Amino acid sequence: DIQMTQSPSSLSASVGDRVTITCRASQGISNYLAWYQQKPGKVPKLLIYAASTLQSGVPSRFSGSGSGTDFTLTISSLQPEDVATYYCQKYNSAWTFGQGTKVEIK
Amino acid sequence: QVQLVESGGGLVKPGGSLRLSCAASGFTFSDYYMSWIRQAPGKGLEWVSYISSSGSTIYYADSVKGRFTISRDNAKNSLYLQMNSLRAEDTAVYYCARSPQGDGMDVWGQGTTVTVSS
Repeated sequence: DIQMTQSPSSLSASVGDRVTITCRASQGISNYLAWYQQKPGKVPKLLIYAASTLQSGVPSRFSGSGSGTDFTLTISSLQPEDVATYYCQKYNSAWTFGQGTKVEIK
Repeated sequence: QVQLVESGGGLVKPGGSLRLSCAASGFTFSDYYMSWIRQAPGKGLEWVSYISSSGSTIYYADSVKGRFTISRDNAKNSLYLQMNSLRAEDTAVYYCARSPQGDGMDVWGQGTTVTVSS
């Protein structure tokens, strides 16, 4: 089975910082990758699908890139409301989530 | 409005069974893949299973294969998860979610809690 590994597992950054989260697949998955945001006590929210397509209504400071095995989620200017855990998910054949990256404000 | 509402969670003994349901409204249910995802207390998201729009394609996570069965009734706008041989490690909040042809999960229910304990 294909494993998804996110890094880092947590990070602390200042408001306005550029934040990058990485997701690596153990085998190539083309662009079958989505990113989700889960705020504490809330239901996950789809941010990006097809590796780089922004879901409708998601702020443009979020962006995704990558193909094959290496993917990134970037928040161009971190805002207080972005405090959350972020998950990548691959969706070719069986689906799998990464273990999550917790983002906090410094 | 687009909505998914899970039901059927509860307390069950190890080895027991439970059937979860997910009622969909506000969209054409038969156009979408549907999935179950779970989250154990304090843990990350774990994908459980998905079913294609027609029901012809089904996948399971290895952790539930052979014990859980996903199904759907497009006439009733409903998704189901039959869970057998439950274990303590199946304790989690179970979410249903819709997926536009498998391209990410864009609508999630609020979840139903399953607790497996003696």
